Amino acid sequence: AQSVTQLGSHVSVSEGALVLLRCNYSSSVPPYLFWYVQYPNQGLQLLLKYTTGATLVKGINGFEAEFKKSETSFHLTKPSAHMSDAAEYFCASSGGYQKVTFGTGTKLQVIP
Amino acid sequence: DAGITQSPRYKITETGRQVTLMCHQTWSHSYMFWYRQDLGHGLRLIYYSAAADITDKGEVPDGYVVSRSKTENFPLTLESATRSQTSVYFCASSESGPVGYTFGSGTRLTVV
Repeated sequence: AQSVTQLGSHVSVSEGALVLLRCNYSSSVPPYLFWYVQYPNQGLQLLLKYTTGATLVKGINGFEAEFKKSETSFHLTKPSAHMSDAAEYFCASSGGYQKVTFGTGTKLQVIP
Repeated sequence: DAGITQSPRYKITETGRQVTLMCHQTWSHSYMFWYRQDLGHGLRLIYYSAAADITDKGEVPDGYVVSRSKTENFPLTLESATRSQTSVYFCASSESGPVGYTFGSGTRLTVV
């Protein structure tokens, strides 16, 4: 069974500072991993995904994430936060099947 | 318009009433999903469908019914609404494989 743990339900960063959102997964098989972003009153939008190959994946809006099998982690980073990055971010995993398990989300606040 | 459309966007219903949430996608994606989003729980899978006339239960299916007679439509019915079903409901679709989901904008359902 898949499970995803997001550390920190709320994260605050200053505008221009590094964004780091943490995600750890539990999987009995090599996982597929995803990050989604949700803006207020909207659906989720895919930011990036890891399937196979290169462990550092780049997504939209300057975000990237690194798959670290030894740490069972898939943390999301962005070098410099922008006000428009304020949103809720969800990590998700699937074990090769179409069903995806989502984490409980991390709300990112960007302080001007 | 291309995309995935949910209707209605907002719905208030009374306890015990039947209510149907609609989901329509224009991409002919094979897979469709219904999730509910609740504070502290993230997204939880209610039902999913791999193709027309093929549906299966997710994590929290009790009290819900789905059908999929056409590839593009995946309605979710609450047979007898309860207050615990007050939530935001998201429909999603995807192609086969780990490509990620495309989400609708959600239906905010309040059961009074």
